[in-house]
Amino acid sequence: GIQVEQSPPDLILQEGANSTLRCNFSDSVNNLQWFHQNPWGQLINLFYIPSGTKQNGRLSATTVATERYSLLYISSSQTTDSGVYFCAPSGAGSYQLTFGKGTKLSVIP
Amino acid sequence: GAVVSQHPSRVICKSGTSVKIECRSLDFQATTMFWYRQFPKQSLMLMATSNEGSKATYEQGVEKDKFLINHASLTLSTLTVTSAHPEDSSFYICSAGWPSRSGNTIYFGEGSWLTVV
Repeated sequence: GIQVEQSPPDLILQEGANSTLRCNFSDSVNNLQWFHQNPWGQLINLFYIPSGTKQNGRLSATTVATERYSLLYISSSQTTDSGVYFCAPSGAGSYQLTFGKGTKLSVIP
Repeated sequence: GAVVSQHPSRVICKSGTSVKIECRSLDFQATTMFWYRQFPKQSLMLMATSNEGSKATYEQGVEKDKFLINHASLTLSTLTVTSAHPEDSSFYICSAGWPSRSGNTIYFGEGSWLTVV
């Protein structure tokens, strides 16, 4: 199956700082999603981004499928951004996602 | 937009009893749903693929007799943890796919915290 590596595993930011989270994957994918898991466990879908770049407010994501990586940018971070960010790709025609180990983000005031 | 609902959000049960967790797709039909398990501070691990009208497909190492999955309708899949033991305590979460113009977006339920005492 698809292997997923996320970096860094842990990240501490001062409120207002920017950050970039990286996701490398081993095979061609037809779907890639970024999720934010809040402290209560809820998974929030941030981006569906098998390729290209998307932006949503302070967040943006870029996937370079040919080079098998995706980046999540967080600008002007806020304490509410804290949590774990997961990258999860899936193969062709599949709804089955493979999760990376996540990046635990802590934003401090 | 597409929403997946999971119930209960938290459950405490006694060792040896069974617990049922429901996963519903609220405004779309899902022929396939997925069940994941997440241990503290770890990633989500796929347990099984729930197929409407047929048997679930379990991942290697997941006991199908212990984790019973039923997908009786296009909007409901259930996970029953049978004869629960404390080591079954975990966070269980389901997902379903929503085909949209941009592709197959996956949505997750709210998750269920199971504590076996």
